[in-house]
Amino acid sequence: EAGVTQSPRYAVLQEGQAVSFWCDPISGHDTLYWYQQPRDQGPQLLVYFRDEAVIDNSQLPSDRFSAVRPKGTNSTLKIQSAKQGDTATYLCASSLGLGGSTGQLYFGEGSKLTVL
Amino acid sequence: GEKVEQHESTLSVREGDSAVINCTYTDTASSYFPWYKQEAGKSLHFVIDIRSNVDRKQSQRLTVLLDKKAKRFSLHITATQPEDSAIYFCAASTYAQGLTFGLGTRVSVFP
Repeated sequence: EAGVTQSPRYAVLQEGQAVSFWCDPISGHDTLYWYQQPRDQGPQLLVYFRDEAVIDNSQLPSDRFSAVRPKGTNSTLKIQSAKQGDTATYLCASSLGLGGSTGQLYFGEGSKLTVL
Repeated sequence: GEKVEQHESTLSVREGDSAVINCTYTDTASSYFPWYKQEAGKSLHFVIDIRSNVDRKQSQRLTVLLDKKAKRFSLHITATQPEDSAIYFCAASTYAQGLTFGLGTRVSVFP
Protein backbone atom coordinates (compact mmCIF):
# COMPACT_ATOMS: atom_id res chain seq x y z
CA GLU A 1 0.00 0.00 0.00
CA ALA A 2 1.38 3.40 -0.96
CA GLY A 3 1.93 5.85 1.85
CA VAL A 4 1.23 9.57 1.96
CA THR A 5 3.00 11.30 -0.92
CA GLN A 6 4.08 14.93 -0.84
CA SER A 7 5.73 17.18 -3.37
CA PRO A 8 7.95 19.01 -3.80
CA ARG A 9 10.31 17.69 -1.14
CA TYR A 10 12.24 20.96 -1.00
CA ALA A 11 11.54 24.58 -1.92
CA VAL A 12 13.71 27.67 -1.56
CA LEU A 13 12.07 31.07 -2.02
CA GLN A 14 12.80 34.72 -1.66
CA GLU A 15 10.46 36.65 0.62
CA GLY A 16 7.32 37.65 -1.21
CA GLN A 17 7.25 34.65 -3.54
CA ALA A 18 4.49 32.04 -3.58
CA VAL A 19 4.67 28.26 -3.29
CA SER A 20 2.23 25.36 -3.45
CA PHE A 21 2.59 22.00 -1.75
CA TRP A 22 0.71 18.95 -2.92
CA CYS A 23 -0.37 15.91 -0.93
CA ASP A 24 -1.76 12.55 -2.00
CA PRO A 25 -3.13 10.70 1.05
CA ILE A 26 -3.42 6.97 1.54
CA SER A 27 -6.20 5.61 -0.64
CA GLY A 28 -9.49 5.49 1.23
CA HIS A 29 -8.42 7.85 4.01
CA ASP A 30 -11.14 10.44 4.38
CA THR A 31 -9.32 12.81 6.74
CA LEU A 32 -6.32 14.88 5.69
CA TYR A 33 -4.21 17.17 7.84
CA TRP A 34 -1.60 19.81 7.13
CA TYR A 35 0.96 20.49 9.86
CA GLN A 36 3.79 23.02 10.03
CA GLN A 37 6.95 21.83 11.78
CA PRO A 38 9.56 24.54 12.39
CA ARG A 39 13.10 23.29 12.96
CA ASP A 40 13.52 21.60 16.35
CA GLN A 41 9.82 21.97 17.23
CA GLY A 42 6.76 19.75 17.22
CA PRO A 43 4.23 19.74 14.40
CA GLN A 44 1.59 22.47 14.64
CA LEU A 45 -1.80 21.86 13.05
CA LEU A 46 -2.70 24.29 10.29
CA VAL A 47 -5.88 22.83 8.81
CA TYR A 48 -7.69 19.54 8.37
CA PHE A 49 -10.38 18.16 6.11
CA ARG A 50 -12.98 15.42 6.28
CA ASP A 51 -13.51 14.53 2.65
CA GLU A 52 -13.66 17.91 0.87
CA ALA A 53 -14.95 19.86 3.88
CA VAL A 54 -12.71 21.98 6.08
CA ILE A 55 -13.19 20.84 9.68
CA ASP A 56 -10.83 23.31 11.35
CA ASN A 57 -8.70 26.01 9.78
CA SER A 58 -8.48 28.27 12.81
CA GLN A 59 -4.67 27.98 12.94
CA LEU A 60 -4.15 28.79 9.25
CA PRO A 61 -2.75 32.30 8.71
CA SER A 62 -5.59 33.03 6.34
CA ASP A 63 -4.18 36.19 4.85
CA ARG A 64 -1.37 34.27 3.14
CA PHE A 65 -2.10 30.57 3.53
CA SER A 66 -4.85 28.64 1.80
CA ALA A 67 -5.66 24.94 1.52
CA VAL A 68 -8.10 23.01 -0.61
CA ARG A 69 -9.17 19.43 -1.09
CA PRO A 70 -11.73 19.78 -3.89
CA LYS A 71 -12.57 16.12 -4.55
CA GLY A 72 -11.87 14.77 -1.09
CA THR A 73 -8.65 13.08 -2.20
CA ASN A 74 -5.52 15.12 -3.02
CA SER A 75 -4.90 18.45 -1.33
CA THR A 76 -2.91 21.61 -2.03
CA LEU A 77 -1.50 24.01 0.54
CA LYS A 78 -0.52 27.38 -0.90
CA ILE A 79 1.53 30.14 0.67
CA GLN A 80 1.35 33.52 -0.97
CA SER A 81 3.92 36.22 -0.25
CA ALA A 82 6.13 33.97 1.85
CA LYS A 83 7.98 35.34 4.89
CA GLN A 84 11.17 34.14 6.57
CA GLY A 85 9.03 33.00 9.52
CA ASP A 86 7.34 30.48 7.20
CA THR A 87 10.58 28.51 7.02
CA ALA A 88 9.58 25.03 8.20
CA THR A 89 8.72 21.55 7.03
CA TYR A 90 5.12 21.18 5.93
CA LEU A 91 3.75 17.77 6.79
CA CYS A 92 0.69 16.17 5.33
CA ALA A 93 -1.00 13.32 7.19
CA SER A 94 -4.07 11.22 6.59
CA SER A 95 -6.30 8.96 8.64
CA LEU A 96 -9.41 6.89 8.34
CA GLY A 97 -11.93 8.85 10.34
CA LEU A 98 -11.00 11.76 12.54
CA GLY A 99 -7.66 10.86 14.13
CA GLY A 100 -8.58 11.47 17.74
CA SER A 101 -11.44 9.03 17.54
CA THR A 102 -10.08 6.28 15.40
CA GLY A 103 -6.36 6.15 15.83
CA GLN A 104 -3.16 6.84 14.10
CA LEU A 105 -2.20 9.41 11.56
CA TYR A 106 0.05 8.46 8.65
CA PHE A 107 2.54 11.19 7.78
CA GLY A 108 4.22 11.98 4.50
CA GLU A 109 7.93 12.74 4.22
CA GLY A 110 7.22 16.47 4.29
CA SER A 111 8.01 19.48 2.13
CA LYS A 112 10.91 21.50 3.50
CA LEU A 113 10.52 25.22 2.82
CA THR A 114 13.32 27.75 3.20
CA VAL A 115 12.46 31.42 2.77
CA LEU A 116 15.52 33.63 2.32
CA GLY B 1 -7.24 25.24 22.87
CA GLU B 2 -5.24 22.26 24.04
CA LYS B 3 -1.60 22.75 25.07
CA VAL B 4 0.82 19.87 25.50
CA GLU B 5 4.06 20.28 27.41
CA GLN B 6 6.84 17.75 26.99
CA HIS B 7 9.09 17.97 30.01
CA GLU B 8 12.35 16.50 28.77
CA SER B 9 13.92 18.08 25.71
CA THR B 10 16.79 15.56 25.65
CA LEU B 11 17.37 12.19 27.25
CA SER B 12 20.59 10.22 27.15
CA VAL B 13 20.42 6.57 28.24
CA ARG B 14 22.80 3.66 28.29
CA GLU B 15 21.84 0.76 26.08
CA GLY B 16 19.75 -1.70 28.05
CA ASP B 17 18.52 0.89 30.56
CA SER B 18 15.03 2.39 30.66
CA ALA B 19 13.90 5.78 29.40
CA VAL B 20 10.87 7.78 30.55
CA ILE B 21 9.34 10.79 28.80
CA ASN B 22 6.72 12.84 30.59
CA CYS B 23 3.98 15.05 29.12
CA THR B 24 1.20 17.16 30.57
CA TYR B 25 -1.90 18.53 28.87
CA THR B 26 -4.39 21.27 29.70
CA ASP B 27 -7.76 20.33 28.22
CA THR B 28 -9.76 18.02 30.52
CA ALA B 29 -11.81 17.00 27.48
CA SER B 30 -8.80 15.38 25.82
CA SER B 31 -9.30 11.66 25.53
CA TYR B 32 -6.71 10.39 23.10
CA PHE B 33 -2.93 10.42 23.69
CA PRO B 34 -0.63 9.03 20.99
CA TRP B 35 3.14 8.98 20.73
CA TYR B 36 5.09 9.44 17.51
CA LYS B 37 8.72 8.80 16.68
CA GLN B 38 10.83 10.80 14.25
CA GLU B 39 14.16 9.34 13.20
CA ALA B 40 16.86 11.56 11.75
CA GLY B 41 15.84 12.97 8.38
CA LYS B 42 12.53 11.12 8.34
CA SER B 43 8.92 11.91 9.02
CA LEU B 44 6.84 10.94 12.03
CA HIS B 45 5.47 7.50 12.55
CA PHE B 46 3.10 6.21 15.16
CA VAL B 47 4.45 4.11 18.02
CA ILE B 48 1.73 3.69 20.65
CA ASP B 49 -1.37 5.38 21.99
CA ILE B 50 -3.69 5.35 25.00
CA ARG B 51 -7.29 6.41 25.43
CA SER B 52 -8.80 7.93 28.52
CA ASN B 53 -10.81 4.82 29.43
CA VAL B 54 -7.62 3.05 30.56
CA ASP B 55 -4.61 4.15 32.59
CA ARG B 56 -1.98 1.79 31.20
CA LYS B 57 -1.14 0.24 27.86
CA GLN B 58 1.84 -1.90 26.92
CA SER B 59 3.23 -2.93 23.57
CA GLN B 60 6.44 -4.95 23.69
CA ARG B 61 9.09 -2.68 25.25
CA LEU B 62 6.81 0.39 25.32
CA THR B 63 4.37 1.28 28.09
CA VAL B 64 2.17 4.36 28.27
CA LEU B 65 0.74 5.53 31.59
CA LEU B 66 -2.10 8.02 31.90
CA ASP B 67 -3.02 9.99 35.05
CA LYS B 68 -6.18 11.89 34.18
CA LYS B 69 -6.39 13.59 37.53
CA ALA B 70 -2.96 15.14 37.09
CA LYS B 71 -3.45 15.53 33.32
CA ARG B 72 -0.20 13.74 32.78
CA PHE B 73 0.94 10.86 30.61
CA SER B 74 4.27 9.20 30.06
CA LEU B 75 6.12 6.85 27.73
CA HIS B 76 8.36 4.19 29.22
CA ILE B 77 10.89 2.40 27.04
CA THR B 78 12.55 -0.62 28.62
CA ALA B 79 15.74 -2.39 27.55
CA THR B 80 16.67 0.46 25.22
CA GLN B 81 18.41 -0.33 21.95
CA PRO B 82 20.35 1.88 19.51
CA GLU B 83 17.36 1.92 17.15
CA ASP B 84 15.34 3.65 19.88
CA SER B 85 17.43 6.79 19.27
CA ALA B 86 15.04 9.36 17.78
CA ILE B 87 12.85 12.31 18.66
CA TYR B 88 9.65 11.26 20.42
CA PHE B 89 6.56 13.46 20.34
CA CYS B 90 3.60 13.17 22.65
CA ALA B 91 0.22 14.47 21.51
CA ALA B 92 -3.32 14.90 22.76
CA SER B 93 -6.74 15.47 21.28
CA THR B 94 -10.38 15.46 22.17
CA TYR B 95 -12.71 13.13 20.29
CA ALA B 96 -12.69 13.99 16.59
CA GLN B 97 -10.17 16.83 16.85
CA GLY B 98 -6.74 17.31 15.34
CA LEU B 99 -3.73 16.33 17.42
CA THR B 100 -1.80 18.90 19.46
CA PHE B 101 1.86 17.89 19.73
CA GLY B 102 4.54 18.59 22.31
CA LEU B 103 7.92 20.00 21.33
CA GLY B 104 9.63 16.61 21.28
CA THR B 105 12.24 14.73 23.31
CA ARG B 106 15.49 13.73 21.66
CA VAL B 107 16.45 10.30 22.99
CA SER B 108 20.02 9.15 22.51
CA VAL B 109 20.97 5.58 23.38
CA PHE B 110 24.71 5.10 23.92
CA PRO B 111 26.64 1.81 24.32
